[in-house]
Amino acid sequence: AQSVTQLDSHVSVSEGTPVLLRCNYSSSYSPSLFWYVQHPNKGLQLLLKYTSAATLVKGINGFEAEFKKSETSFHLTKPSAHMSDAAEYFCVIYGNKLVFGAGTILRVKS
Amino acid sequence: KAGVTQTPRYLIKTRGQQVTLSCSPISGHRSVSWYQQTPGQGLQFLFEYFSETQRNKGNFPGRFSGRQFSNSRSEMNVSTLELGDSALYLCASTADGAETDTQYFGPGTRLTVL
Repeated sequence: AQSVTQLDSHVSVSEGTPVLLRCNYSSSYSPSLFWYVQHPNKGLQLLLKYTSAATLVKGINGFEAEFKKSETSFHLTKPSAHMSDAAEYFCVIYGNKLVFGAGTILRVKS
Repeated sequence: KAGVTQTPRYLIKTRGQQVTLSCSPISGHRSVSWYQQTPGQGLQFLFEYFSETQRNKGNFPGRFSGRQFSNSRSEMNVSTLELGDSALYLCASTADGAETDTQYFGPGTRLTVL
């Protein structure tokens, strides 16, 4: 069975500093991996998607993620946090359905 | 293209009642999936419909059911509501072809059971 583990339930950064949200995956074959973001009282928005074409994936709003097979990781990063980045982020793996991580709440301090 | 739409956005029901939620996918998308989001259980897959047929199902009791119409619109129904059914219900649609693993979500329906 495929699964993802988000290593931090909460991350707090100051505006203008880098963001790192960590995700490890488990899969017996090459996975499709995603990051989604959910702002309060909103649905889920797709940030980026990995499907083996390139290990470094660029997404929307300046986010990117790097697929590392040796570490079974798919961490999400952004060079400089903005107040509008405050939200909950989900790492997701696809088998025949989406399987979600528990989520990481990102807080951005001014 | 318009995104995934869900109606109603908010719903309040009492225990024992039943409820029907509606989802209209992105134009051209034939696959619709439903998810339940709660603080305790997180995001859980309910079921997926493709061309009016249920293609996949999660681990939910039979009180949770769904259907899809010929125009790809989907409804989910929850009968005999319980307090624990209070949740955000999210619908997602998927394009055919190479992008079948990419799902686009609607804003959700917030169901409160009293």
